[in-house]
Amino acid sequence: DVKVTQSSRYLVKRTGEKVFLECVQDMDHENMFWYRQDPGLGLRLIYFSYDVKMKEKGDIPEGYSVSREKKERFSLILESASTNQTSMYLCASSLAGGVIETQYFGPGTRLLVL
Amino acid sequence: DQQVKQNSPSLSVQEGRISILNCDYTNSMFDYFLWYKKYPAEGPTFLISISSIKDKNEDGRFTVFLNKSAKHLSLHIVPSQPGDSAVYFCAARANFGNEKLTFGTGTRLTIIP
Repeated sequence: DVKVTQSSRYLVKRTGEKVFLECVQDMDHENMFWYRQDPGLGLRLIYFSYDVKMKEKGDIPEGYSVSREKKERFSLILESASTNQTSMYLCASSLAGGVIETQYFGPGTRLLVL
Repeated sequence: DQQVKQNSPSLSVQEGRISILNCDYTNSMFDYFLWYKKYPAEGPTFLISISSIKDKNEDGRFTVFLNKSAKHLSLHIVPSQPGDSAVYFCAARANFGNEKLTFGTGTRLTIIP
């Protein structure tokens, strides 16, 4: 069974703080993704990574950065948190290859920025 | 610009009846479509998928239909059960080998016992 874990289920931070969200997968997947989920907007891709030290911007990268130093770990960084970054953050991973592989999601981190 | 749209934010269906969830897309380069199901406080889980070379895929109570000319897909759940109450997202992938998925806005399905 694929397991994707996220370091925190709930986080409360203040405006301007630096925030780290950690994601770890245990299935040796090449691809990892960070999404945010907001009511009425669905899941929107922030960043993804095809391999260690590789990253690509998704649809809404502004205000975020990522780090992938090890294959199993993908971190999302909010350099200076703002209230409009209050959201549910979901990490996912998938196997690379020509045949579509479904993405496996972690349980999510609900972030509140005050 | 929402390339994948689910126009019904919510849907209520009586237990035992058919649930039909709809999804429309605009990008003609999408070649693979997936449905995910999400319970509160959990991540989405994969439900069923369909390639653009097919028009129907069935897995137990779940069937996905694809109408490429209308750029429309639907998920049918028959019979609906209380455990089906969740938020359903459709997702699409463009081009073979592209790992990125574009998700819709989601439909909250409530099954009424």
